[in-house]
Amino acid sequence: ETGVTQSPTHLIKTRGQQVTLRCSSQSGHNTVSWYQQALGQGPQFIFQYYREEENGRGNFPPRFSGLQFPNYSSELNVNALELDDSALYLCASTLAGWVNTEAFFGQGTRLTVV
Amino acid sequence: KNEVEQSPQNLTAQEGEFITINCSYSVGISALHWLQQHPGGGIVSLFMLSSGKKKHGRLIATINIQEKHSSLHITASHPRDSAVYICAVRRGVDYGGSQGNLIFGKGTKLSVKP
Repeated sequence: ETGVTQSPTHLIKTRGQQVTLRCSSQSGHNTVSWYQQALGQGPQFIFQYYREEENGRGNFPPRFSGLQFPNYSSELNVNALELDDSALYLCASTLAGWVNTEAFFGQGTRLTVV
Repeated sequence: KNEVEQSPQNLTAQEGEFITINCSYSVGISALHWLQQHPGGGIVSLFMLSSGKKKHGRLIATINIQEKHSSLHITASHPRDSAVYICAVRRGVDYGGSQGNLIFGKGTKLSVKP
């Protein structure tokens, strides 16, 4: 079991609402990446935070935003939820943004938008 | 065409069989990860490779950088090996964008029957 925890584990929201997902990183890891995994698909990169700054972003609209805190935990915020946002959201922590270190994943938050 | 392709998509095996899952990629990479995802959603890192071969218990992972291909082998498969196996790559140093994120294949769903 990794030291990466995500909360909540499951969430149901209504279209148009806003949601905040949380991730605590592995001890000592300063980089957190967020991924969206639709049913039957591989995870897709949303963005990455390194030392509290976004340092990479995938093909997701601005209504997907994030934060990283001094303790390296992170939040993913999604505004104006759409039905297609229903997915498993995964966070992964690593030691640095580009050095080849193991990535540790959380259990994911399953978001359902109705 | 996806940058990371896995085959097969689905695999059913009898307990004890030798299993091979393949991964091909089309971009320059600094490392390749093999990951395991159980139905609950959480992802566990099995291997991180940049060259050669690694072994852990009944699992063996190989990579051929020149051919841009990696394989994951499971010897003496067991029903508890049933899961989705995902190949993910990290961009190489020649990539101008964020190198921190992983690019995932769609996964191979393995079912091992007793």
